[in-house]
Amino acid sequence: QQQVKQSPQSLIVQKGGISIINCAYENTAFDYFPWYQQFPGKGPALLIAIRPDVSEKKEGRFTISFNKSAKQFSLHIMDSQPGDSATYFCAASIGTSGSRLTFGEGTQLTVNP
Amino acid sequence: NAGVMQNPRHLVRRRGQEARLRCSPMKGHSHVYWYRQLPEEGLKFMVYLQKENIIDESGMPKERFSAEFPKEGPSILRIQQVVRGDSAAYFCASSPRLPGVTGSGNTIYFGEGSWLTVV
Repeated sequence: QQQVKQSPQSLIVQKGGISIINCAYENTAFDYFPWYQQFPGKGPALLIAIRPDVSEKKEGRFTISFNKSAKQFSLHIMDSQPGDSATYFCAASIGTSGSRLTFGEGTQLTVNP
Repeated sequence: NAGVMQNPRHLVRRRGQEARLRCSPMKGHSHVYWYRQLPEEGLKFMVYLQKENIIDESGMPKERFSAEFPKEGPSILRIQQVVRGDSAAYFCASSPRLPGVTGSGNTIYFGEGSWLTVV
């Protein structure tokens, strides 16, 4: 019940295209859903996050869409650039009980020039 | 404004030796978390500490692993009698206060990791 399922495992997109990564969760107590970006040899960096009281959040080229009834959320990267090539992780946590983040398995994104 | 500092960045240990990984949280942060990332996998929570207290160690293996965050100095993740399966990247993260408190979200900041290789 603590799992977060992420897909696809890998994604190849052309420069300027839209990258879409999906996550699904089971635990309805989750109330915080961040996305992290990780470059090789580096730690994960917070990209964008959403709470379940909104259905969409946009920051620059990055948008999270959240579907509470389906228990799914997704990351959309508009106008994808080669510099976006990285591994992306979705995560979820229960806000008031600490910050134990449950991570998805990751999506390796490659943006071709 | 230094971020979360981890050292060593890379550590090689022979089977049976001990590994000590250190983490200095961001300035002003009093909450520290350790996560492990096995090759080609996502990060798995290990332990959550505040100064001198272990708050949640539900992700820690029952044996050989321990963590501390003393009143002074960095947090330490200690792995005794390492085995090849311990080879992984160990990430430390910190936050300024209990996540979930109004206005803070669950914003935790990760360090660049310590890569442990057991040979």
